[in-house]
Amino acid sequence: GAVVSQHPSWVICKSGTSVKIECRSLDFQATTMFWYRQFPKQSLMLMATSNEGSKATYEQGVEKDKFLINHASLTLSTLTVTSAHPEDSSFYICSASDPTSTDTQYFGPGTRLTVL
Amino acid sequence: EDQVTQSPEALRLQEGESSSLNCSYTVSGLRGLFWYRQDPGKGPEFLFTLYSAGEEKEKERLKATLTKKESFLHITAPKPEDSATYLCAVQAGGGNKLTFGTGTQLKVEL
Repeated sequence: GAVVSQHPSWVICKSGTSVKIECRSLDFQATTMFWYRQFPKQSLMLMATSNEGSKATYEQGVEKDKFLINHASLTLSTLTVTSAHPEDSSFYICSASDPTSTDTQYFGPGTRLTVL
Repeated sequence: EDQVTQSPEALRLQEGESSSLNCSYTVSGLRGLFWYRQDPGKGPEFLFTLYSAGEEKEKERLKATLTKKESFLHITAPKPEDSATYLCAVQAGGGNKLTFGTGTQLKVEL
């Protein structure tokens, strides 16, 4: 089946630093990747959609200068949280859309970010 | 704006006690309705996609059905390992982004 990985699985950083999260589709080429954020006991909130080789499309209310997304290849997208603050602490999950499976989104295992 | 509502928020079942989870949706131009399972601290795991009213899909103890306004996830004779949060999401319009419901937290007890 379609497998998506994320790295790291968890990260703790100091306020003001930047953190990069990688998302990879391991056994398929993803035309589109998505980044979500999930707060405790809440559902997934879409942050942005990224297509390989083009700029990401951000959802309303998501600061594009704070959450930098790069989709350099059909198997890799990265999310960089710049100048992180405690309120950025959350569970970040990526997904990749498999074009051979009617664009079903397959999710990564998530990254737990804690900003001190 | 696409809306997805799941009920109940939480459900406690005894092992072997069958039940159904509901997902009601309001969208313009449904392209697909997706069911995922999410375990604590993990990403969602894909279960099913339904495309048109009347469609049904099954996997082990799970069966998903779709009407023009809602979808049901039927769980037959559940086991403790079925305990998880079940998420419903819709894909509508011209894009392929998903709009998620808030999920049903299922706990199956011995």
